[in-house]
Amino acid sequence: NAGVMQNPRHLVRRRGQEARLRCSPMKGHSHVYWYRQLPEEGLKFMVYLQKENIIDESGMPKERFSAEFPKEGPSILRIQQVVRGDSAAYFCASSPLGPPEEKLFFGSGTQLSVL
Amino acid sequence: EDQVTQSPEALRLQEGESSSLNCSYTVSGLRGLFWYRQDPGKGPEFLFTLYSAGEEKEKERLKATLTKKESFLHITAPKPEDSATYLCAVQLQTGANNLFFGTGTRLTVIP
Repeated sequence: NAGVMQNPRHLVRRRGQEARLRCSPMKGHSHVYWYRQLPEEGLKFMVYLQKENIIDESGMPKERFSAEFPKEGPSILRIQQVVRGDSAAYFCASSPLGPPEEKLFFGSGTQLSVL
Repeated sequence: EDQVTQSPEALRLQEGESSSLNCSYTVSGLRGLFWYRQDPGKGPEFLFTLYSAGEEKEKERLKATLTKKESFLHITAPKPEDSATYLCAVQLQTGANNLFFGTGTRLTVIP
């Protein structure tokens, strides 16, 4: 049973470009969470999705960021017109049950670098 | 304001030298406290969940405890493979959709 798969592992973008981060949850998991980890800071919640629905996006910046989890395919975190401050590690986690599920399974993350 | 503070930021131990990591929290209402381990270049790996003061959980050389204000992760006779960053996170009663993480304790165990 493969774990949570994130790709790419590393992504380099120039300011103003778009970044698309992908996350395939563990088999049988229909709940996906995105977290961001800035240098010297803790993991920060961004968004929680179930299949085809955004449940909680309270941690997501209002502009330039969007997330989806379509019926078929991986969850996508999209960042438009990236800026240097978007440089961070982005982690996806999945769980078989919704909150307050106690156990999240995390992927290895995507390291986004904005030049 | 909800806050999770972990100490120390970094800890170096000799192999076999037991110690404890601290996670203190100030939150409006705690539903659960979580411990994760994170290796370099990897995502966090779940270790424990604690729900009520006085609760304890053990796994191999690790034991987690919880009081009304803090949690401790005790490491008994650590080995080099225990080297990692240990993260504490809280789940709030009013915001159970997400975990609120501390900045972690980076543990290095020297052979």
